[in-house]
Amino acid sequence: QKEVEQDPGPLSVPEGAIVSLNCTYSNSAFQYFMWYRQYSRKGPELLMYTYSSGNKEDGRFTAQVDKSSKYISLFIRDSQPSDSATYLCAMNSGGSNYKLTFGKGTLLTVNP
Amino acid sequence: GAVVSQHPSWVICKSGTSVKIECRSLDFQATTMFWYRQFPKQSLMLMATSNEGSKATYEQGVEKDKFLINHASLTLSTLTVTSAHPEDSSFYICSAVTGVAKNIQYFGAGTRLSVL
Repeated sequence: QKEVEQDPGPLSVPEGAIVSLNCTYSNSAFQYFMWYRQYSRKGPELLMYTYSSGNKEDGRFTAQVDKSSKYISLFIRDSQPSDSATYLCAMNSGGSNYKLTFGKGTLLTVNP
Repeated sequence: GAVVSQHPSWVICKSGTSVKIECRSLDFQATTMFWYRQFPKQSLMLMATSNEGSKATYEQGVEKDKFLINHASLTLSTLTVTSAHPEDSSFYICSAVTGVAKNIQYFGAGTRLSVL
């Protein structure tokens, strides 16, 4: 079993739809959870950052972490064509270990 | 804040030559930087961890003599691909960690290397 599992998609939705992206993980030591957006041939851009369990909202984006289920989600409301990108979940255990463990990424296309 | 600049964005070189890629933290000091490699439609593969003033720590399977990393200052790390060959063609991305939120990595825009 991989440490982080993420459905690679592709996921195609109409403009305005609510998008749900998810990752599961197996390492219970993970405490810091991040979502990155990566456009084609660009570096990943940090979207959301959550420590431990709970929800975090930033504009159209909501990140949820359920440590009991080892499950994290990113919701995108009122999706736009400009949201079309690959979304990567990433996580680490904190402390002096700064390395991130990434999911494979989900390719999202929002159709106008 | 937390801007990471990577240069060049695209480089084409002949087989056997060396290529240097720069990674700079523009508005913060980065004691730790990371270098990744990414193949098309795949996730990021960590190559090495770079700490200012010390030798880089390479991941298993990464050739230290092929991929030279120097982190000479708190704002600059460089990756030199030595004697590049076509199989080294890839997308290379750096990231940096700030002193405040040390578990968050901020990424550069990436460098596309094409070796002919």
